[in-house]
Amino acid sequence: NAGVTQTPKFQVLKTGQSMTLQCAQDMNHNSMYWYRQDPGMGLRLIYYSASEGTTDKGEVPNGYNVSRLNKREFSLRLESAAPSQTSVYFCASKTSTGGFPYEQYFGPGTRLTVT
Amino acid sequence: GESVGLHLPTLSVQEGDNSIINCAYSNSASDYFIWYKQESGKGPQFIIDIRSNMDKRQGQRVTVLLNKTVKHLSLQIAATQPGDSAVYFCAENIRNFNKFYFGSGTKLNVKP
Repeated sequence: NAGVTQTPKFQVLKTGQSMTLQCAQDMNHNSMYWYRQDPGMGLRLIYYSASEGTTDKGEVPNGYNVSRLNKREFSLRLESAAPSQTSVYFCASKTSTGGFPYEQYFGPGTRLTVT
Repeated sequence: GESVGLHLPTLSVQEGDNSIINCAYSNSASDYFIWYKQESGKGPQFIIDIRSNMDKRQGQRVTVLLNKTVKHLSLQIAATQPGDSAVYFCAENIRNFNKFYFGSGTKLNVKP
C-alpha cells in the first residue's frame, strides 16, 4: 500500500514551458487535492476533486489546470510556467465517507523551480 | 503562533519537557480544525482534530485546546521527543470538508 505517490520529485522549468505533475492514490479515496507550499508558508489549495468526474477551484487556481483521470489519478498542469509558480506541490487524498476525522493523506511533494 | 513572510516562528524545547504550539485562526465561522505535522522533505501528516462544539480533545501524548472566544487553538505535546522535531500547522475548515485553510506553521526544535 503506497498511499499517495507523486511524480516527478524535482523539476526545473524555463519560463513559458509546460508540464504535468502526476498524482496517484491506492486507498480508494473519492476526494483528491493539489496544494502549493511556498517557503515559510502554509499550504494553499489550488484545485480539488470531490469525486471522480468533478473538479473545483481552490484559493489559488490561476495558471493551473487539473484532470481527474479516474478515481486513482489526479494531475496538475502548468500550461506556461512562470517564476511565481516556483514552489513545492503536494497532492492529497481523503475518503468522503465515514465522517470524522476528515483526514487528508499527503504525498511526498514535487519541488518545482521555474527560471 | 502564526508567522508572516519567510521566517517561521521556532519553539525550542528540551527533550522530556512539554511543548505548547499556538495557532490563531481567522474566521469565526470555522467549525472544524486539524493539526498536522510536517517533517523535513515530507508531506504533512495528520495529528489530531477538533470540532467547534468541543474545547478540548486528547490523543496519544497530544492535546488540542480550542478557545472560540479569541479564535485560538493550541497543541500540547507531552514529554517531547527528538522525533517530534518538525513544523506544525493548524488548518481550519468552514462547513466544506474539502476546503481547509492552513496557517503558516511553527517549527518545533527538540534539544537532546
